[in-house]
Amino acid sequence: DADVTQTPRNRITKTGKRIMLECSQTKGHDRMYWYRQDPGLGLRLIYYSFDVKDINKGEISDGYSVSRQAQAKFSLSLESAIPNQTALYFCATSDRRTGKRSQHFGDGTRLSIL
Amino acid sequence: DQQVKQNSPSLSVQEGRISILNCDYTNSMFDYFLWYKKYPAEGPTFLISISSIKDKNEDGRFTVFLNKSAKHLSLHIVPSQPGDSAVYFCAASNQGGSEKLVFGKGTKLTVNP
Repeated sequence: DADVTQTPRNRITKTGKRIMLECSQTKGHDRMYWYRQDPGLGLRLIYYSFDVKDINKGEISDGYSVSRQAQAKFSLSLESAIPNQTALYFCATSDRRTGKRSQHFGDGTRLSIL
Repeated sequence: DQQVKQNSPSLSVQEGRISILNCDYTNSMFDYFLWYKKYPAEGPTFLISISSIKDKNEDGRFTVFLNKSAKHLSLHIVPSQPGDSAVYFCAASNQGGSEKLVFGKGTKLTVNP
């Protein structure tokens, strides 16, 4: 079983629709992140959360919102999707207690907005 | 402005030879650097890291070198294997920046049999 699970894996939707991408983890990590990847642009941070009550904007948060429902769950919402939000979205986790900054990624959600 | 740069979008090497992937950064506050490998349809996986107090870190076939004065790091893979074919991302963070990772755009490595 995957340690970091993203659902759905693929989604096609229309402009203006509300979309939620979900992420759950079994690693027991306190920190969770949402990134998007566009061709040729690497990964860019959308939002991050260091615990359930701590939510922070990343580099490209406009048009997105998040919810940390529990330590193990972190969801990303697009309130009114637009075509330039078509991208590959990744959730990641990390553990502050290890002192290491490596993050563990899910396998991604491919989102297409028509 | 891009703080982490991987200027080579792609690299092709022969099996058994050395692969060298390069990364430059502009933020002198970065104090920790990581390399990730990504296969198609999978998430990035952590490969190796290095703290700014070191100039080299080795893990099996993978070695990362850090040149702080040049703000440059490189990943060496020796010997390269076809299974190493993937996109490699360089990432950097600084303790004062909440330890968030800033990623480069990636280099696609192809190892030919």
